[in-house]
Amino acid sequence: EIVLTQSPGTLSLSPGERATLSCRASQSVSSNYLAWYQQKPGQAPRLLIYGASSRATGIPDRFSGSGSGTDFTLTISRLEPEDFAVYYCQQYGSSQFTFGPGTKVDIK
Amino acid sequence: QLQLQESGPGLVKPSETLSLTCIVSGGSISSSSYYWGWIRQPPGKGLEWIGNIYNSGSTYYNPSLKSRVTISVDTSKNQFSLKLSSVTAADTAVYYCARHRTYGYFYMDVWGKGTTVAVSS
Repeated sequence: EIVLTQSPGTLSLSPGERATLSCRASQSVSSNYLAWYQQKPGQAPRLLIYGASSRATGIPDRFSGSGSGTDFTLTISRLEPEDFAVYYCQQYGSSQFTFGPGTKVDIK
Repeated sequence: QLQLQESGPGLVKPSETLSLTCIVSGGSISSSSYYWGWIRQPPGKGLEWIGNIYNSGSTYYNPSLKSRVTISVDTSKNQFSLKLSSVTAADTAVYYCARHRTYGYFYMDVWGKGTTVAVSS
């Protein structure tokens, strides 16, 4: 089973700053199998990025994904007030999906 | 616009079976390239994938839950269901249904709003 680790656990930033979130896998993951989600309190997760770097429909271009193998990154170029949330990475392998523990981006 | 809606009891007694249904509207559950599945989130914790099903009835389950989980599909009603047996307090969570892309790319792109299930006597 591939285990995903996300860092940092919490990222405290101000609006307008750049956020860099890391997702590390215990084994190599195909880029096609790596996705990122945003979750706000009381809401369902929302797909942001699939295939490691492709933005989902309607996602602003301030969100970008990169990486390959075991190291993947979600970058938010300039934080907007609505971007403060928890972010999860997800991978697919051996016919199952797994999520990372999440990174909380909160207001500094 | 595709929408998913979970329904079922909000309270289940320990050792009993949790049963939830997800109704799909605005699209067909028989679409190719998509599975349909369940994810849960205990209070204050992260996301846990439970399993998914194709319109043919083919299923995949999280190995940690496999012995207690059954997911089924009813294409005539455009819905799918989750049964989790022998529940304990550890199964208390928000349960989400979601559409799973499973061809080429693998992700969940349409989610229900979630339903809270508490396990308590």
